[in-house]
Amino acid sequence: NFLLTQPHSVSDSPGKTVTISCTGSSGSIASNYVQWYQQRPGSAPTTVIYETNQRPSGVPDRFSGSIDSSSNSASLTISGLKTEDEADYYCQSYDDTSLVFGGGTKLTVL
Amino acid sequence: EVQLVESGGGLVQPGGSLRLSCSASGFTFSNYVIHWVRQAPGKGLEYVSAISGNGGSTYYADSVKDRFTVSRDNSKNTVYFQMSSLRAEDTAVYYCVKGFIWGQGTLVTVSS
Repeated sequence: NFLLTQPHSVSDSPGKTVTISCTGSSGSIASNYVQWYQQRPGSAPTTVIYETNQRPSGVPDRFSGSIDSSSNSASLTISGLKTEDEADYYCQSYDDTSLVFGGGTKLTVL
Repeated sequence: EVQLVESGGGLVQPGGSLRLSCSASGFTFSNYVIHWVRQAPGKGLEYVSAISGNGGSTYYADSVKDRFTVSRDNSKNTVYFQMSSLRAEDTAVYYCVKGFIWGQGTLVTVSS
C-alpha cells in the first residue's frame, strides 16, 4: 500500500515562511497529482493546492505547492504566515484510483 | 458553482443502519467519480468508498467492505451511502468529495 507521511506538527511566527512535507512510501510521488487541504477546528477541509501546484480561486498566493523528486516528497509552503493560517493540513494523492491521505500536520502560528 | 451537500447523519445504535445522501450541483454529475471520506473525532482523514460516474465501479476500504454500499441516481444528482452493521468505530463525520471539492460533512454517531 502506498502511504504518505507528514510531520505531526510545525510552528513558526507571523510573517515567517513554513514548509510542510509529504513523503511517499514507494514509487514516484511525481507520477500523480498531490492536493493539500486546510482544516480549521470544527470545519470541513478546504483545498489550498490542487494538481500539485495550482491554487483554487480565493486562495492567496502565499500558498504554494511543489515536488522534490529526489526525496519523493511534495511540499506545501506558506509564506508571510498569518494567525489565520493556524490549522491542520493534509496532503492527498492516489494509489491507482483510490485516494491516499497523509496523517495531517498541525500548523501553529506562534 | 460546484456544491456538494451531505445529509442523513445522526445517532444510531451499534448494529443499526443509516443511509447518507450527497446531493450535487454545478457540474455534469454523471461524468464524475464521487468519493466518501470520513474523519473520526480528533483523528485524520480516512478514505472509505468511491463510485464511478455511471455507477458501474465501486471501491470500499477494508474497514467498511461488506457492511457499506455506495450507489448513485444520476437523474437526481445524488449519491447514497448505505451503512449497515454499524460499530462504535464508524463514528465520524462523513464527507463526499468530487475532485478537490468537499461537502460540509454529516456526523454519524454510533452509540447505545
